[in-house]
Formats: sequence, C-alpha cells, structure tokens
Amino acid sequence: AQTVTQSQPEMSVQEAETVTLSCTYDTSESDYYLFWYKQPPSRQMILVIRQEAYKQQNATENRFSVNFQKAAKSFSLKISDSQLGDAAMYFCAYRRGGGTSYGKLTFGQGTILTVHP
Amino acid sequence: DAGVTQSPTHLIKTRGQQVTLRCSPKSGHDTVSWYQQALGQGPQFIFQYYEEEERQRGNFPDRFSGHQFPNYSSELNVNALLLGDSALYLCASSLRGQINTQYFGPGTRLTVL
Repeated sequence: AQTVTQSQPEMSVQEAETVTLSCTYDTSESDYYLFWYKQPPSRQMILVIRQEAYKQQNATENRFSVNFQKAAKSFSLKISDSQLGDAAMYFCAYRRGGGTSYGKLTFGQGTILTVHP
Repeated sequence: DAGVTQSPTHLIKTRGQQVTLRCSPKSGHDTVSWYQQALGQGPQFIFQYYEEEERQRGNFPDRFSGHQFPNYSSELNVNALLLGDSALYLCASSLRGQINTQYFGPGTRLTVL
C-alpha cells in the first residue's frame, strides 16, 4: 500500500520570506502523480500544484514550486514571498497512475503553516 | 461556472441514527469521490462513483454506502452512526478523461453525539 508522510506538523514563516514543506512517500509503482493541496480554515481543499512522476522537470505555479526527487521518493513544496493568505493546512497527496485507481488520493497527515506579518 | 457543492454544511446526529450527505459535482464532471477527514488528520478515501456505480472503495465498513444519479450528483449514506464517524466529509469531482485533477467541495461537518 502507498503511504505519504509529512514529518513537519507545524511550520512558520515571516511574510515575504521563503518556506519549504517536506513530504516523502512510499510506492512500488513507476507511474503516479503527486499533489499539494491547501486547506484554509474555510475547509475548502484547494489544489496548489501537481507533479507527474514521468516528468523530470519540477512543477512551478507562480510562487509555488516543488522539488521532486523520484529516487529518494521526496516531494517538497517551496513557497516564495510568503503572504498572509498562504496560512493554511497543507497536504501532500499521491495518486497511482492509470489502471483501476482512478481518483483515489492518499494524503499525508498535513502541515500547519503560520505566516507572521 | 459552479464549483463542487455539498449539503448540508453542518449536521448533528445521535448514535445509531442514519445520515445522508449530498454532493453536486463541478459542471462538466462525471466522477465523484468521497473522503472522510477526522479533525487534524488528512482525508481518507471512502469510495468513488462514475457511471452510477461504485468503482473503487477504501477501507470503510458497509455502513457507508453511496449512490450516483444520472445527473452525476451523489449521496453518501452512513447507517448506525458511531461517535467515531464524527468528521468532515469531503466530496471531490473530476472528469474521467482528466482524472488527475480533483476539485473538492467545502465539506459537510458531521457531529455524532
């Protein structure tokens, strides 16, 4: 079974600074997808960024970028120029590629990010 | 373009009762997945529906059942509620041809007393 581990229960950052959230995963599959979701106090789970395992290039979405290390099974999220609105619970998630696993996301335990003004 | 909607927002039930939660997928989406999120934890996959059938199921007992309607909306039913069923229930929708991105609704907070 696939597992996703977020070893940082809480992180904090000063506004305008950079922070990195860690995620490791365990899988025997070669085809899979990794995601970072953000869940603010409003509870709405929002997709931040997605990485396909077959792509060597790290995904980037504006101030958000990932460091995908496939051999090490590591998938960290870097938030640059942190803003107060970035404060939320962040979840790393895994989805097996193709086959019969359509849509089953396996989530980590989450990291609470606090942004200080 | 309406996003994923869920109803009700909050619900309070007592042990042994039954509950039905509802989800309307994002416009154009045909696949609905349900997740249970205990307080302070990551969501756990319950099951997924498309073409009005349960296609995949997580490690949840038979007390958890669901349905998908021809308009792709979905219901989650939980029978014989236990205190441990108290959680946020999230619905996510996607398009089978683009299954890699799921869009989540705001969730239903269920409290079992």
